[in-house]
Amino acid sequence: GAVVSQHPSRVICKSGTSVKIECRSLDFQATTMFWYRQFPKQSLMLMATSNEGSKATYEQGVEKDKFLINHASLTLSTLTVTSAHPEDSSFYICSASSHGRGKTEAFFGQGTRLTVV
Amino acid sequence: GIQVEQSPPDLILQEGANSTLRCNFSDSVNNLQWFHQNPWGQLINLFYIPSGTKQNGRLSATTVATERYSLLYISSSQTTDSGVYFCAVGHSGGGADGLTFGKGTHLIIQP
Repeated sequence: GAVVSQHPSRVICKSGTSVKIECRSLDFQATTMFWYRQFPKQSLMLMATSNEGSKATYEQGVEKDKFLINHASLTLSTLTVTSAHPEDSSFYICSASSHGRGKTEAFFGQGTRLTVV
Repeated sequence: GIQVEQSPPDLILQEGANSTLRCNFSDSVNNLQWFHQNPWGQLINLFYIPSGTKQNGRLSATTVATERYSLLYISSSQTTDSGVYFCAVGHSGGGADGLTFGKGTHLIIQP
């Protein structure tokens, strides 16, 4: 299957600082990527859709000024958590969809565990 | 939006047992995927199955789109099968929307 790589896998930052997370599709091009958040023992919730060359679209309740998304190329999307606070601590995971043979299948990165102290 | 319900929420089995995990969804879908989330959080793709039946080794899945449910079967369970199994659906064509996830089934296989 297609490969999506996410970096870093784990980050600890101080409250008030910003953290950037990268998501790359390694063997295919992705005009659209997705960012999810998962709190402990809960399911994944879609945060935003990252569109190459245009603005991201955010789900209801997700602050676009806190979670900045940039999709500058067909293989890279970045999520920046700005002015992070302890309540932003979570597992963030990206996905990209591979199109082919009549199907659109989502593949996920390894995830980033963010801890804000 | 579309609702996805998974059952059971928790399942504890002995090694060697068989299990069936269920996913119900509230509207028509054009994408349905089953994932296994390992202890490190990685989502492993198991099946892309918006309809029909597929098998991969000890795992198989069936989706009956007209009745809005999917089943994941695990046979001869091994301890390495432990983890959380998620069903996720996509509602629109072309992958334009993200997936909606169920709450998962937490499977524990005991030796």
